[in-house]
Amino acid sequence: NAGVTQTPKFQVLKTGQSMTLQCAQDMNHEYMSWYRQDPGMGLRLIHYSVGAGITDQGEVPNGYNVSRSTTEDFPLRLLSAAPSQTSVYFCASSKGPGDTEAFFGQGTRLTVV
Amino acid sequence: GNSVTQMEGPVTLSEEAFLTINCTYTATGYPSLFWYVQYPGEGLQLLLKATKADDKGSNKGFEATYRKETTSFHLEKGSVQVSDSAVYFCALTLFYNQGGKLIFGQGTELSVKP
Repeated sequence: NAGVTQTPKFQVLKTGQSMTLQCAQDMNHEYMSWYRQDPGMGLRLIHYSVGAGITDQGEVPNGYNVSRSTTEDFPLRLLSAAPSQTSVYFCASSKGPGDTEAFFGQGTRLTVV
Repeated sequence: GNSVTQMEGPVTLSEEAFLTINCTYTATGYPSLFWYVQYPGEGLQLLLKATKADDKGSNKGFEATYRKETTSFHLEKGSVQVSDSAVYFCALTLFYNQGGKLIFGQGTELSVKP
């Protein structure tokens, strides 16, 4: 069972570069989310989606874009990377309304220099 | 606003010691509460959950009770093992899951020595 798959696992970017973090799930989950993990701050929600074509902002959305064209995929785009975006990024999915268990990918460690 | 506060780490224990990691929350409505565990180099895994007041979640020897009167969800284990070394996150989600959004505490790193 693949579950939630994130690519790449590691990435180094220069300031101002753009990139897309990929996230795919094979559980037919309605809900998908992106979090960033920073030391001492836990995980903070960047963007989330309740279904294909529907996305919304979380707690820290600035500098990030998302789209959800299919149920399976939920890519996160950094349009112009900044050192403040150095973090570990996690994608998560859950079944849908009323179901509370979230499944997480293994994370992408991003460094912006 | 809605938030989760958990005890600062790191916590270092000897094998077979008793573990408590404190977690308190602030939330509107009736949250569901969770403990997630992150082993080194991995993503988060659900450890246990409780969806209403006085529920007790349990898994792998860990337990936590949803205490509405003290807005707490402390994690306990009677006898820790080296394999329990990980980062533990307390989290909540609001009524009816609201799009799967989770609000996390800061995380507590646990190190268990043989």
